[in-house]
Amino acid sequence: DAGVIQSPRHEVTEMGQEVTLRCKPISGHNSLFWYRQTMMRGLELLIYFNNNVPIDDSGMPEDRFSAKMPNASFSTLKIQPSEPRDSAVYFCASNEGGPEVGQFFGPGTRLTVL
Amino acid sequence: LAKTTQPISMDSYEGQEVNITCSHNNIATNDYITWYQQFPSQGPRFIIQGYKTKVTNEVASLFIPADRKSSTLSLPRVSLSDTAVYYCLVGEAGGYQKVTFGIGTKLQVIP
Repeated sequence: DAGVIQSPRHEVTEMGQEVTLRCKPISGHNSLFWYRQTMMRGLELLIYFNNNVPIDDSGMPEDRFSAKMPNASFSTLKIQPSEPRDSAVYFCASNEGGPEVGQFFGPGTRLTVL
Repeated sequence: LAKTTQPISMDSYEGQEVNITCSHNNIATNDYITWYQQFPSQGPRFIIQGYKTKVTNEVASLFIPADRKSSTLSLPRVSLSDTAVYYCLVGEAGGYQKVTFGIGTKLQVIP
C-alpha cells in the first residue's frame, strides 16, 4: 500500500489567495483526520471524518477553513482567503477507527503564505 | 479529555535503554494509551498502544501500572536513528473524543 498520499508537498502562496490541500487516505480506512503543526502550537487536530461525514470540526480555526470528503478515497482542506499566520505543515491521517486508534499519517504539506 | 504530561526533552547515549514516562492522572475507564514517534519533516508514526499492564512489539514496550495514571514507553538499546519527538495520547476506544498530541518529548540520542 502506498500509504496516505498528500499533495502538494510544498505550497507557497500570497496572502489572500485560495489554497487547496489534498489527501488520499489508505484504502479501506473509514476515518480521516486533518492536522496542523506549528512550532508554537504543536500538532493540532482540525477536523475528523468518519465514513465521509465530518464528526468533529471544533479544531477548525475559523470560517476561512473548510474541509470536504466527497468519497472514501479523497479529501480536501481549503483556506480562503489565506493569511501569513496559516503558514504551517498540514498533515492528513487515516485509520479504521476513531481518534483513539493508531493513525497513519501522510508526509504533510508545508504551506507558506507570504 | 484526559490531559497528558511528558518531559519536554531527554538525552541518551547510543545503546542505552530509554524510558519516557507520561502522566495522565484523570484517565477514564475506557481510555487507551497510544504513543507516536515523529522524525523531522515527517508525519507522526504509530508506535504502540495499550490499556493496562504491559504491551510489547518489535519497536518498544509500554508499561502501564494498575492505577493507569501514568505509562512508560521503553525503547531498548536506542540508536541515533531513534532521535525524534515522542507523543503520548489518551483516548476512549470506540468514542469520538478528540485526542490531543501536545508538545511531546524530544529524545536526542548521543553517539
